[in-house]
Amino acid sequence: DAGVIQSPRHEVTEMGQEVTLRCKPISGHNSLFWYRQTMMRGLELLIYFNNNVPIDDSGMPEDRFSAKMPNASFSTLKIQPSEPRDSAVYFCASSFQGGSPLHFGNGTRLTVT
Amino acid sequence: AQSVTQPDIHITVSEGASLELRCNYSYGATPYLFWYVQSPGQGLQLLLKYFSGDTLVQGIKGFEAEFKRSQSSFNLRKPSVHWSDAAEYFCAVGSLKAGGSYIPTFGRGTSLIVHP
Repeated sequence: DAGVIQSPRHEVTEMGQEVTLRCKPISGHNSLFWYRQTMMRGLELLIYFNNNVPIDDSGMPEDRFSAKMPNASFSTLKIQPSEPRDSAVYFCASSFQGGSPLHFGNGTRLTVT
Repeated sequence: AQSVTQPDIHITVSEGASLELRCNYSYGATPYLFWYVQSPGQGLQLLLKYFSGDTLVQGIKGFEAEFKRSQSSFNLRKPSVHWSDAAEYFCAVGSLKAGGSYIPTFGRGTSLIVHP
């Protein structure tokens, strides 16, 4: 099992540009989560999906952030336009619905200059 | 709302010494509790979890944790630390969310430094 796969590992972009982060969950998992990690705020849940349907996006900081899960094996997190304060490590995680532990990807380190 | 407190930002131990990382939680119902470890540049890896039953939980890499309801604690322990244990450790409490999933809320983490 390859685990949760995120791409890219690193992204450097200029303020105002669109950024798309990608995630492939573990095959068979039906819940997918996007987290953001910063020194100031720690690990924050942005949004999660069950069976490809967004369940709770209350953690998405503002309308510049959007997430999609078009099928069971792929999800994207998009920031448009990006701002320097969006700089963080973004993690994707997947699990079986219902309380099973989350399996995390290695994250995407985003730097917005 | 649920919350997790890890009171120690950094812990330094010598290799071979015992380790205890503290975790206190706030949650209105029976909690689902987790410990994760994060090595530099990596994602979080599950060390152990508590859902119910025996309050002393064994995990991977020789770690264990004990759930104490009266103290709202779930401290992580290891009898003898190895240099490879140096990492960031996160305690989390799972709270029931819409859709029937238990979503972990993470503490701020404790950075473990191991001296040779």
